[in-house]
Amino acid sequence: DVLMTQTPVSLPVSLGGQVSISCRSSQSLVHSDGNTYLHWYLQKPGQSPQLLIYRVSNRFSGVPDRFSGSGSGTDFTLKISRVEPEDLGVYYCLQSTHFPYTFGAGTKLELK
Amino acid sequence: QVTLKESGPGILQPSQTLSLTCTFSGFSLSTYGMGVGWIRQPSGKGLEWLANIWWDDDKYYNPSLKNRLTISKDTSNNQAFLKITNVDTADTATYYCARIVVRYTTDYYYVMDAWGQGASVTVSS
Repeated sequence: DVLMTQTPVSLPVSLGGQVSISCRSSQSLVHSDGNTYLHWYLQKPGQSPQLLIYRVSNRFSGVPDRFSGSGSGTDFTLKISRVEPEDLGVYYCLQSTHFPYTFGAGTKLELK
Repeated sequence: QVTLKESGPGILQPSQTLSLTCTFSGFSLSTYGMGVGWIRQPSGKGLEWLANIWWDDDKYYNPSLKNRLTISKDTSNNQAFLKITNVDTADTATYYCARIVVRYTTDYYYVMDAWGQGASVTVSS
């Protein structure tokens, strides 16, 4: 199975600040079709996960441009600028290049 | 608008079979490129992918659950199902279903873009 290592586990932030979350995979996430199936989700307290970024760097419909994704191969980053209260929760990366699909363990974004 | 809703027994005893239903709207599982996946999350823990079913009835399972999983669909009623046999307390979790966009027009996505609210399942004697 592909191991997805997310860091940090906890990320204190001030409102209006900028943060980065790292997600590293134990093997390349480049699919045989040339695409990289690495996605980012936010799970707010008491809610189901919601898609933020798909295929490394594409913002899902309705996601503000404060969220951006980057990376390639085995190393990926989610950046959040101008953090707002509704951004708080647990962020997960997911790889769907290889079966079984695997998630990172999560990064909890919380207020300082 | 895509919506999904999970339903299940709530509580069941060890060794029983867990049957979950995902009822969805806003898309069809007979449409080329669509799929439904199941994911679970023990309370306070992370997410674990369980199984997928595609529009063409292809199925994929997490081998960590060995042969305990069976995924199926009822296209005419917009439902997908997951059965887990021989449950034990480690299967206590919130179970989510999600739409998977495999392919749209000419491009591939393999992304879970809409999730249900989750169904809480407790395995206890």
